[in-house]
Amino acid sequence: NAGVTQTPKFQVLKTGQSMTLQCAQDMNHEYMSWYRQDPGMGLRLIHYSVGAGITDQGEVPNGYNVSRSTTEDFPLRLLSAAPSQTSVYFCASSSEQAGSTDTQYFGPGTRLTVL
Amino acid sequence: AQSVTQPDIHITVSEGASLELRCNYSYGATPYLFWYVQSPGQGLQLLLKYFSGDTLVQGIKGFEAEFKRSQSSFNLRKPSVHWSDAAEYFCAVALYYNNNDMRFGAGTRLTVKP
Repeated sequence: NAGVTQTPKFQVLKTGQSMTLQCAQDMNHEYMSWYRQDPGMGLRLIHYSVGAGITDQGEVPNGYNVSRSTTEDFPLRLLSAAPSQTSVYFCASSSEQAGSTDTQYFGPGTRLTVL
Repeated sequence: AQSVTQPDIHITVSEGASLELRCNYSYGATPYLFWYVQSPGQGLQLLLKYFSGDTLVQGIKGFEAEFKRSQSSFNLRKPSVHWSDAAEYFCAVALYYNNNDMRFGAGTRLTVKP
């Protein structure tokens, strides 16, 4: 049981490049979320999914796309990276809604730098 | 504006001393409340949460938090801090109209002196 895994751990992009941050969980959780963490700002919700095929926007969705084709995987896509997207990205999952009585489990994070 | 505020960016305490980390929220109704801890280079781990009922909540690692509706606060406490408690602590709320939408405070970094 690996929990929530994220790849890569580190990534450097040039402005305008695209990439996909991978997130997978092996706990059969329906709910998955992506957050970004910036200094002095805590975590901010980017997108979330309540099950395969269902996604919705969070607080800061602009510049990011998501899809959820399987229960296990929830990739985050940057179509045209910008320096403002330099951040640490966390994926999380839970068996119920993120703010429910259930526990939300976080991955170890991906540190992204956009030059 | 709706917000979660952690007034203390950085706190230093001596090992064995008591700890209180402050958290205030500003929302139209009482949201669900959480405290998370993040060790360096790690993801977040849930310490405790409050939904309803007893306003004093017990969590893992000896932490507790008290919800005070009149002050819109949810402060985290520990009677005796250990060196391993050095980390960053985040207060978070889940919006009452969308439990998938969690909002986090900016965090408080805790340093523990020997």
